[in-house]
Amino acid sequence: AQSVSQHNHHVILSEAASLELGCNYSYGGTVNLFWYVQYPGQHLQLLLKYFSGDPLVKGIKGFEAEFIKSKFSFNLRKPSVQWSDTAEYFCAVSSNDYKLSFGAGTTVTVRA
Amino acid sequence: NAGVTQTPKFQVLKTGQSMTLQCAQDMNHNSMYWYRQDPGMGLRLIHYSVGEGTTAKGEVPDGYNVSRLNKREFSLRLESAAPSQTSVYFCASSLDRTGGGTEAFFGQGTRLTVV
Repeated sequence: AQSVSQHNHHVILSEAASLELGCNYSYGGTVNLFWYVQYPGQHLQLLLKYFSGDPLVKGIKGFEAEFIKSKFSFNLRKPSVQWSDTAEYFCAVSSNDYKLSFGAGTTVTVRA
Repeated sequence: NAGVTQTPKFQVLKTGQSMTLQCAQDMNHNSMYWYRQDPGMGLRLIHYSVGEGTTAKGEVPDGYNVSRLNKREFSLRLESAAPSQTSVYFCASSLDRTGGGTEAFFGQGTRLTVV
């Protein structure tokens, strides 16, 4: 069974700081990788996804993520955060079945 | 285009009561899912359906039943609610299986409290 680990439970940073959230998964086969964001009081929305090809994936709102197969990692980055990036971020993994497995989530608080 | 719609948004139940959470999608998706979200545990899959007339168990199916009424609708039923089922429930849908390379779209969630 696949599992997903997110290293940080809560990250607090100031506006304009850089953000990197770690995500590691355990599954030896072909995987599809996702980052979802949940703004306060809202449902989950897709930030970006990786299926194949260029391991550096660009998403919405200036986010990007890099798939490093040898490290089983899919870390999320943003060079300069804004107050509006305050949210909970979830890494998710699926393989060739119907199940999307989520990490525990990282709460990001951006201080103005 | 409403996407994925869940009802109700909030519910309080007494232990032992039953209720059904409704979910409908208007994107002509084949697969639908029910997740629960608990603090520090992310989202865990309860049940899912890959098409009309088919349902399957996820990670945490005990205490829940589901029905795929038609392609649009996928309901989740709690027959005898327990305090451990206090959670936020999300319905999601995808065009095809998420392992096949399609993303899941989520509803707004139902916040359920069992007292």
